[in-house]
Amino acid sequence: GIQVEQSPPDLILQEGANSTLRCNFSDSVNNLQWFHQNPWGQLINLFYIPSGTKQNGRLSATTVATERYSLLYISSSQTTDSGVYFCAVESTNDYKLSFGAGTTVTVRA
Amino acid sequence: EPEVTQTPSHQVTQMGQEVILRCVPISNHLYFYWYRQILGQKVEFLVSFYNNEISEKSEIFDDQFSVERPDGSNFTLKIRSTKLEDSAMYFCATPQDLASYGYTFGSGTRLTVV
Repeated sequence: GIQVEQSPPDLILQEGANSTLRCNFSDSVNNLQWFHQNPWGQLINLFYIPSGTKQNGRLSATTVATERYSLLYISSSQTTDSGVYFCAVESTNDYKLSFGAGTTVTVRA
Repeated sequence: EPEVTQTPSHQVTQMGQEVILRCVPISNHLYFYWYRQILGQKVEFLVSFYNNEISEKSEIFDDQFSVERPDGSNFTLKIRSTKLEDSAMYFCATPQDLASYGYTFGSGTRLTVV
């Protein structure tokens, strides 16, 4: 199946800092989503972004499908941004999401 | 974004007991998924369900597990003879609007086997 690698595994930020999370995948994809897992364990859908760039407030994401990677940008980070960020992809010959191992973000006040 | 409702939010069960986890998508969808996340690990695919039949299952989804659509709207995941290692967060998901949102996940059921 498709391989999904996220980096870095852990990220510690000072409040107000900017950061970039990366997701590499091993095959062509129909779907790529970024999720934020909050302290209660819920998976919050941040972006549906199989290609191109999207922005939502302080968060933005870019997927370069031809080069098989996606980036999630967090600007002016806040303590509420803490949690685990997952990248999940659906390859062109599959009908399910495959998740990366996640990036654990800790934002300190 | 549409919501997917899961119940219960947290269940504690004794080893060897059977548990039933429930999920209700907002719209009546033919495709349905269950995923599992052991504490501290990544989210893993368990099974997909299409038009009242299992369409794909992972190697995790053995005879201990079963899925049903008992009344046309609810979806259930049954785990028989629970083991300590079944303790995990269980998520259901549906492709509610693939062109706009992708897959929508429920809020999860945290299962603790003691």
